[in-house]
Amino acid sequence: GNSVTQMEGPVTLSEEAFLTINCTYTATGYPSLFWYVQYPGEGLQLLLKATKADDKGSNKGFEATYRKETTSFHLEKGSVQVSDSAVYFCALSDVNDYKLSFGAGTTVTVRA
Amino acid sequence: NAGVMQNPRHLVRRRGQEARLRCSPVKGHSHVYWYRQLPEEGLKFMVYLQKENIIDESGMPKERFSAEFPKEGPSILRIQQVVRGDSAAYFCASSPPSTGELFFGEGSRLTVL
Repeated sequence: GNSVTQMEGPVTLSEEAFLTINCTYTATGYPSLFWYVQYPGEGLQLLLKATKADDKGSNKGFEATYRKETTSFHLEKGSVQVSDSAVYFCALSDVNDYKLSFGAGTTVTVRA
Repeated sequence: NAGVMQNPRHLVRRRGQEARLRCSPVKGHSHVYWYRQLPEEGLKFMVYLQKENIIDESGMPKERFSAEFPKEGPSILRIQQVVRGDSAAYFCASSPPSTGELFFGEGSRLTVL
């Protein structure tokens, strides 16, 4: 079956530091890959997505590249801000975009 | 511009009681989804509903769990005779008919004593 494994948290960084959250997946077929973010007091929202191998999703300074050879979709941001403090979820879907399989989430705290 | 609204945010029940979780989708969204997050795990799909129809319930436990999305009012996830293993965060999401993007609520956290 489908599964997603992402880096355990919590992660604490200083402002302007480089952030990487690792995500690897197991899936049959060719899934679409997603990163969702949950800011404090809010629901999960889509951060970025990629639908095929070598696609790069990007949004708000975050990037992730769909790597089929390593079954990975690592999230990166070059210079984080305090406002990036949130829980980040990696997810995949194969047949139907609504039937997502999520990782456990990584809590990121950015200190000023 | 309200997003997906879930209530209650926190619910405590004793074993054997019933839990009802409510979800109001984004205005104009006709598709609702329920997910469950057990402690230390990722969210898992439970059920997909449209108004008055269950489209996909492949992730729902076979017993004690039911969901509905009536013509009027919020979607309801109902858990009968709760057990400790039902303790989890239950997330609702909605999407418009035209795109697949899901918008999630903040979740309802159920604790079974």
